[in-house]
Amino acid sequence: RKEVEQDPGPFNVPEGATVAFNCTYSNSASQSFFWYRQDCRKEPKLLMSVYSSGNEDGRFTAQLNRASQYISLLIRDSKLSDSATYLCVVNQGGKLIFGQGTELSVKP
Amino acid sequence: SAVISQKPSRDICQRGTSLTIQCQVDSQVTMMFWYRQQPGQSLTLIATANQGSEATYESGFVIDKFPISRPNLTFSTLTVSNMSPEDSSIYLCSVNPGTGYEKLFFGSGTQLSVL
Repeated sequence: RKEVEQDPGPFNVPEGATVAFNCTYSNSASQSFFWYRQDCRKEPKLLMSVYSSGNEDGRFTAQLNRASQYISLLIRDSKLSDSATYLCVVNQGGKLIFGQGTELSVKP
Repeated sequence: SAVISQKPSRDICQRGTSLTIQCQVDSQVTMMFWYRQQPGQSLTLIATANQGSEATYESGFVIDKFPISRPNLTFSTLTVSNMSPEDSSIYLCSVNPGTGYEKLFFGSGTQLSVL
């Protein structure tokens, strides 16, 4: 079983749609969690941290369920510029483990 | 945040040769890391570059194949030695400007193709 698993997609959605990405992790001792965004042929960039109480940043909402070892990212009112690969990242003992990424394509 | 300059941005190399990738940061950082991203795959940590001591390698990566230098707090190099086509990948330098392993910032990557 992979340490961090994501649905690879691709998710093809129209502009304005709401889309949700899921991620599970295997190590219950994982300490902190993040979503990174990676554009085609570019380096990953931090999108947002994920807190136990859930957190929101504009159109983006991240949720964490430690009991189920599950992380989610919700994007509302999708924009064309949201098209990218979204990486679920878990801090395990000081080491960042990356999921394989979920590809999102937002169409006009 | 941190501004990271990584070079070369891409290279095409012959089997059996070596390539050294450079990573320069605009500020002193404690933690520097080297990742690999193979085609269609996610990022895999190769090693942590330690200033003044030997790098700490992850399982599956060895110093003879991926020697790393870290002469100061703003610079590191990764060498891919005795390359084979299986080494074709994107190599990424990353730093954490803070004290933990959170909020990594990445260089733009080096796309390596081995013929």
